[in-house]
Formats: sequence, C-alpha cells, structure tokens
Amino acid sequence: ETGVTQTPRHLVMGMTNKKSLKCEQHLGHNAMYWYKQSAKKPLELMFVYSLEERVENNSVPSRFSPECPNSSHLFLHLHTLQPEDSALYLCASSHPVGTANTEAFFGQGTRLTVV
Amino acid sequence: KQEVTQIPAALSVPEGENLVLNCSFTDSAIYNLQWFRQDPGKGLTSLLLIQSSQREQTSGRLNASLDKSSGRSTLYIAASQPGDSATYLCASQAGTALIFGKGTTLSVSS
Repeated sequence: ETGVTQTPRHLVMGMTNKKSLKCEQHLGHNAMYWYKQSAKKPLELMFVYSLEERVENNSVPSRFSPECPNSSHLFLHLHTLQPEDSALYLCASSHPVGTANTEAFFGQGTRLTVV
Repeated sequence: KQEVTQIPAALSVPEGENLVLNCSFTDSAIYNLQWFRQDPGKGLTSLLLIQSSQREQTSGRLNASLDKSSGRSTLYIAASQPGDSATYLCASQAGTALIFGKGTTLSVSS
C-alpha cells in the first residue's frame, strides 16, 4: 500500500457520460498530480496542485476538469470524452517542489475505457 | 522543455546477471531524479530518489547514480531475479512536477 488510493480501478464510459475519478492520500503531502499513461508513450503530466491551488495545466482539453477540495483529495471530472482518451490515469502526491524531500508516490491508477 | 530518454527500451537477461539501465535528461537544472518500477497494469512504485546535491543512492540490490553535468543517471541492479521483471521508469523534476522517460522493460529468465 503506497498511501495513495485511487477509485475506481476500472471504468468504462460512453462518450456522452459524466464520471469522476477520485484520489486520496494519507501521506501528509501538499502537492498532488494527475498523469495520463497511454500505450507506447511516456507518462504525460495533466495537472498539478500545490497547497490546493492549481499551479499547472498542461494544455489538457476542457473535457477533463480537476478539483482539489483539500490537500488529501483530488478529483478528475470527465465529460464528453473521446475514444482516444482511453488510458491509465495515475494520481501522485509529494511535498511541494523546493521542500526537503519531494519523493513522489503514485496510486494504482484507474484504467479508463471510452466506448 | 525537459526531455527524458531511457536506453535500452527492452532488456532480457538470465537470472543472476548484473545490469545497468540508462537515463538521460536535457535540462541539467533539476531538483531531483527518481526511479520507479511499474508492473503491467499497475501503478508506479518508487525505488530510489536522488536529490540534485547527491551523486548516488542505494537500496538493497539497487544503486542509482546521478551526473547532473552530463545529464545522466544509471540504475544498477545486482544479481537479477525473475521477480525484477517489470518496466523501470526514470523521472526528473526540473519544474513543478516529474517528467518521465518511456521506460525500460526488463525480463529476467530463470
């Protein structure tokens, strides 16, 4: 158990559905991240939250909407997705950049399939 | 923009061999470099973190080195075992988050 929990582990959704991915960390970290992992491509950074403020939005389409209500929880709201959005979505947490130990810990991911 | 490259993309070795995985990055002004392991369909497990002021870190049979000036890091695995079979990812932190390479997929046969 890495201390970062993602739910659900698997999700199949139609292109007109709305769903949310959830991430929770119990490591006392103040920075949280969403990454997308597609086949044959490096992990792609999507969003970064530090101290509950979004500090980076890596040119992600608006059909992906993040939410960070507190330092322990991170959501990714999904709507009107495309089949090419099918991927493994990974959440991570760490202490913010510039602090003593910024080792990042990842959840097990949500395998998303858009049909 | 930071770019991370890992060589080789895949590696197959018999059990017991010592091996080296390579990682290079384009921006030497990094905060740290982290090595991860990923099993198929799973999340990432942190193996080693090297701060920018450090040259190497060790954990069990794993040793990671960092040469910022040349933009390189290596992960050395001693006495490989079938359980080491996985994809190994390196990631550098030069801004607000980690930037990843594509990984090296390792297969250790018994």
